[in-house]
Amino acid sequence: DQQVKQNSPSLSVQEGRISILNCDYTNSMFDYFLWYKKYPAEGPTFLISISSIKDKNEDGRFTVFLNKSAKHLSLHIVPSQPGDSAVYFCAASAGDSGNQFYFGTGTSLTVIP
Amino acid sequence: NAGVMQNPRHLVRRRGQEARLRCSPMKGHSHVYWYRQLPEEGLKFMVYLQKENIIDESGMPKERFSAEFPKEGPSILRIQQVVRGDSAAYFCASSPISFGGEQYFGPGTRLTVT
Repeated sequence: DQQVKQNSPSLSVQEGRISILNCDYTNSMFDYFLWYKKYPAEGPTFLISISSIKDKNEDGRFTVFLNKSAKHLSLHIVPSQPGDSAVYFCAASAGDSGNQFYFGTGTSLTVIP
Repeated sequence: NAGVMQNPRHLVRRRGQEARLRCSPMKGHSHVYWYRQLPEEGLKFMVYLQKENIIDESGMPKERFSAEFPKEGPSILRIQQVVRGDSAAYFCASSPISFGGEQYFGPGTRLTVT
């Protein structure tokens, strides 16, 4: 039962343009969401998070948007850089089981120079 | 401050052998999590441990898999009598708090069962 879904396995974007990665979830109890970035042969690296009391969180070139009614979140990267090429995972947890994160299957982003 | 350490990075086992995967959390982190990533899939939660305690093992297969986090030393994920389907990347993560914080991941152990 995949409670967190990333329906686009891959995405290609031109350098300098915006990358938008999407994530949907099914569990309305989820209240904390994170994005991780993963390079080949490395572990995931935390990128940015958002709690359900907010609908937007920004950190430099990275912005995460949360639409609770649609159970949807997105990660915007602008401007995209070749070094952003990696697999991006979204993850979610519920407050009463905050230690268990549910991960999506990942979106492989390629930024073309 | 060293990150989360996992060893070995690569482990090859024949069917029926035992696999032991080690994880040393970041300094000051007392919460450890194990995840498994099968090919073409996302990370799947397996188990959450604190020192000497298993807090949540709801993602752990009921047989052949066990985990511990002793008072001294690394956390160990043990897989007994490995089968081909156990081939995967196993990631360990640690955090300083149990709720609402990000988890810091190690580089993973890639287990191949031949």
